[in-house]
Amino acid sequence: EVQLLESGGGLVQPGGSLRLFCAASGFTFDDYVMNWVRQAPGKGLEWVSGVAGSGRNTWYPASVTGRFTISRDNSKNTVYLQMNSLRAEDTAIYYCARTTSGTFDIWGRGTMVTVSS
Amino acid sequence: EIVLTQSPGTLSLSSGERATLSCRASQTVSSTYLAWYQQKPGQAPRLIIYGASSRATGVPDRISGSGSGTDFTLTISKLEPEDFAVYYCQHYGDSLWAFGQGTKVEI
Repeated sequence: EVQLLESGGGLVQPGGSLRLFCAASGFTFDDYVMNWVRQAPGKGLEWVSGVAGSGRNTWYPASVTGRFTISRDNSKNTVYLQMNSLRAEDTAIYYCARTTSGTFDIWGRGTMVTVSS
Repeated sequence: EIVLTQSPGTLSLSSGERATLSCRASQTVSSTYLAWYQQKPGQAPRLIIYGASSRATGVPDRISGSGSGTDFTLTISKLEPEDFAVYYCQHYGDSLWAFGQGTKVEI
């Protein structure tokens, strides 16, 4: 069964850091671009980062560039999201998503990140 | 940067009725990279349409997508109880992904 399982969320103070994990199973991991998408409470979906199958190319929107870093370890079938200088507006559920032809075809259940003092 | 605008924000309908959801892009986009997702409360989004008009696995044929250029439409021909949810359009281009703000289909 194709599956994505996120972990690493929690409560962090403004200005702090957090690292999210996404463990993949059931497919050939390095064949796929992987992305992180977030959803603030009661709000819509926002793309926050992507990484190529090889890990050599990464992409970010302006809202997180310079603060978030996506990476992957294909030997562990895992993608990471390092989040630094966190702000209250980064509070959200963070979803990991497999990407095929620009489309998010498989989603994890998400991990909650709360930025608050 | 492409901006996707969905309308209406909320659609109030009854089971059996037809739902028509709009997604308008700020500039011409490739239909190949236009998708729709369904999200129910407490659940992750689910891909329902890709390539503007192709149904994802398991999606019933009462749900269909159409459009090109800047205007795209998601149609649910006869609403079933399980169709009441929030729907998002999404586009990919130039190594950037973008979502519309969503349309809630409510009873």
